[in-house]
Amino acid sequence: DIQMTQSPSSLSASVGDRVTITCRASQGINNDLGWYQQKPGKAPKRLIYTASSLQSGVPSRFSGSGSGTEFTLTISSLQPEDFATYYCLQHNTYPLTFGGGTKVEIK
Amino acid sequence: EVQLLESGGGLVQPGGSLRLSCAASGFTFSTYTMTWVRQAPGRGLEWVSDISGRGGGTYFADSVKGRFTVSRDDSKNTLHLQMNSLRAEDTAIYYCAKAAYGVDVWGQGTTVTVSS
Repeated sequence: DIQMTQSPSSLSASVGDRVTITCRASQGINNDLGWYQQKPGKAPKRLIYTASSLQSGVPSRFSGSGSGTEFTLTISSLQPEDFATYYCLQHNTYPLTFGGGTKVEIK
Repeated sequence: EVQLLESGGGLVQPGGSLRLSCAASGFTFSTYTMTWVRQAPGRGLEWVSDISGRGGGTYFADSVKGRFTVSRDDSKNTLHLQMNSLRAEDTAIYYCAKAAYGVDVWGQGTTVTVSS
């Protein structure tokens, strides 16, 4: 199975900060990676697909990069509504595997 | 607009069975792979199963293989997850989702609790 190692597991940041979250795959997955945001009590919502493509309707402050084994989600200027938990997901090989999540909290 | 509505969750005793359903609308259901993902209380997301479009293959996480089956009724735009031999560790919110370049749109989830 492909392991997805996500870091950090949590972070504290202020409104306006630039935030970066990383996922590393245990083997190459091309660009078969998505990023998801989940708020408490809600279903996850996809932000980024194919590593760097912005999902329709998602603000442009979110961006993704990477290919192969290392991927990054960046929020260029953190907004109050961005405080949530973020997950990566590889869909290159079954079983699909999620990263462990990153909880973004208010500093 | 894509909509996915799960149903069938509830409280079941260990060793019991439950059948989840997911009603889909807003897209050509038969052509898409559909996915089940679960989330145990306070935990992260876990992929459970995929079923390919147009009668294609099925795939399962090792944790549910041999106990869960997935099926689809393309005439009714409905996805099912049959869960047998349920264990306490199967307690979770179960989400169905449409797959397009990975997991795309998610339903709101249905809660399964396995407890005596």
